[in-house]
Amino acid sequence: EVQLVESGGGLVPPGRSLRLSCAGSGITFDGYAMHWVRQAPGKGLEWVSGISWNSDSIGYADSVKGRFTISRDSAKNSLYLQMDNLRAEDTALYYCAKRGDTSLTNWGQGTLVTVSS
Amino acid sequence: DIQMTQSPSSLSASVGDRVTITCRASQGIRSDLAWYQQKPGKAPNRLIYAASNLQSGVPSRFSGSGSGTEFTLTISSLQPEDFATYYCLHHYNYPWTFGQGTKVEI
Repeated sequence: EVQLVESGGGLVPPGRSLRLSCAGSGITFDGYAMHWVRQAPGKGLEWVSGISWNSDSIGYADSVKGRFTISRDSAKNSLYLQMDNLRAEDTALYYCAKRGDTSLTNWGQGTLVTVSS
Repeated sequence: DIQMTQSPSSLSASVGDRVTITCRASQGIRSDLAWYQQKPGKAPNRLIYAASNLQSGVPSRFSGSGSGTEFTLTISSLQPEDFATYYCLHHYNYPWTFGQGTKVEI
């Protein structure tokens, strides 16, 4: 069974940093683009960032550009999101998701990030 | 950046009703659109890919249509388990964007 497991969330004051991780089991990340999507409490889905299978193509939402950095490690079958200069509006459940044939096919259960003093 | 305008934001319906949800893209995105269903406390689940292709395992009462800038998700006969929130997602280019969501309620 394909499983994506996010970790690294928590409570952090505004302006600080946090690094999220996503590990895959029953699935190899090699050959697949991977993405981060977030959902603020009671709100809709927001696409955050995506990275191609070879890290050649990377994209960010305007709301996080310049503050967040996506990366991947094929050897560890892992995806990361470095989040710097966090703001209250970054508070959300962060999902990692695998891009399959076209769009996002497999999702983790999410890790909660709360930005508050 | 491409904006996705989804409507309605919510709707009330009954079991057996036909339900239609629309997403409009601010510029042409070919058929680079997917539809997702999300239930409370759960991750989204893909229903439709490439605008009109039914995801394996998804009931045939769900269908998608459209290309370019206008897209539609239709539930032909609403079932109790279909009460959820639905989102469109364009993946034409970066940044990808979701529609605002449509909550389907009784």
